[in-house]
Amino acid sequence: EAQVTQNPRYLITVTGKKLTVTCSQNMNHEYMSWYRQDPGLGLRQIYYSMNVEVTDKGDVPEGYKVSRKEKRNFPLILESPSPNQTSLYFCASSLSRGAVGTQYFGPGTRLTVL
Amino acid sequence: QQPVQSPQAVILREGEDAVINCSSSKALYSVHWYRQKHGEAPVFLMILLKGGEQKGHEKISASFNEKKQQSSLYLTASQLSYSGTYFCGTVGAGSYQLTFGKGTKLSVIP
Repeated sequence: EAQVTQNPRYLITVTGKKLTVTCSQNMNHEYMSWYRQDPGLGLRQIYYSMNVEVTDKGDVPEGYKVSRKEKRNFPLILESPSPNQTSLYFCASSLSRGAVGTQYFGPGTRLTVL
Repeated sequence: QQPVQSPQAVILREGEDAVINCSSSKALYSVHWYRQKHGEAPVFLMILLKGGEQKGHEKISASFNEKKQQSSLYLTASQLSYSGTYFCGTVGAGSYQLTFGKGTKLSVIP
């Protein structure tokens, strides 16, 4: 089944404790991205990647890191989480071919930072 | 900058029509529309490309005015299943960044 998976689905952590949210897709998509969703603010893009080893900042990259060492995986790293990073996070992928195509979203990760 | 969506919320009775608007301050290459139901991930509806218009579903269609940098989503003869939050996303000319609006909450009641 074609899908985007995220782990964990739910996470409660404390300020400053490094964490990684994994994202994997099995559709051989080139384009992957991370979004955070907060009430009243919609979906805001954190980082995106056009292909392996190619990443770029989205609208709200501060406090986050990403890497794209393999085509299928695009982990989101919070080196020192803070309470303002409490949010619902979505990973998405799409077949790029030079343009941003249909985004296939993962199920989401609800993160709480205490 | 985030595209601006209007209205922020709308309530419809089954069978009524609705229009959701999306406008941007930058030159656009494409406009994306997604629907999100409560507690779920956003789901793709359609993409409109510069120079063209794409109709994704029978009763849900959209237009893209490149000169005005605006797009509208049309929902006709609404059904209960249309309820959810609709997001437009825009990609600027020469960009690979997809920027979503804040969403429009659509509620369809019997």
